[in-house]
Amino acid sequence: AQSVTQLGSHVSVSEGALVLLRCNYSSSVPPYLFWYVQYPNQGLQLLLKYTSAATLVKGINGFEAEFKKSETSFHLTKPSAHMSDAAEYFCAVSGLLGGYNKLIFGAGTRLAVHP
Amino acid sequence: KAGVTQTPRYLIKTRGQQVTLSCSPISGHRSVSWYQQTPGQGLQFLFEYFSETQRNKGNFPGRFSGRQFSNSRSEMNVSTLELGDSALYLCASSLGPGLAGDSTDTQYFGPGTRLTVL
Repeated sequence: AQSVTQLGSHVSVSEGALVLLRCNYSSSVPPYLFWYVQYPNQGLQLLLKYTSAATLVKGINGFEAEFKKSETSFHLTKPSAHMSDAAEYFCAVSGLLGGYNKLIFGAGTRLAVHP
Repeated sequence: KAGVTQTPRYLIKTRGQQVTLSCSPISGHRSVSWYQQTPGQGLQFLFEYFSETQRNKGNFPGRFSGRQFSNSRSEMNVSTLELGDSALYLCASSLGPGLAGDSTDTQYFGPGTRLTVL
């Protein structure tokens, strides 16, 4: 079975500070991993994805994530937070088990950025 | 390309009624998945359709159903609405199994339909 755990339901940082959002996964098959962002009253926007091509993945808006198999982690980082980064972030795993495309999401981390 | 569109964006119904939500995928995408988002349960997978066939179903009661048309547009239906069905229903589209160059069949989400059951 696949699962995702996001550590910290709320994270608060100062503008310009490092953003670190944690995600650990469990999967019995090589996983595909995703980070999505959700702004208020909107759907989910894809930030980046891990496809096994490279362990360090760069996404949109300056975000990146590193896949660490030994730690079963896929943490999301951004060197310098901007006010516009305030949103909810979801880590998701998909192993395309049985050929079925089903995303398993973590509970989400709400990021607050203060001046 | 236009993104995933969902209609209506907001809906208010009363208990016992039924509701139909619509989703138009990104042009060229043949797979459509539906998710329910609630504060208590988070994001949960409802079902996935590809080429008009339901390929996978989440752990939801039979009151939740869906279908996909030949143009890949999809609808989901909820019958005999309950208060707990109040949620944001998200539709996501993807190219389809084996059709993405990087094999992930990445899903792209629409803005959602906010359903309130009174």
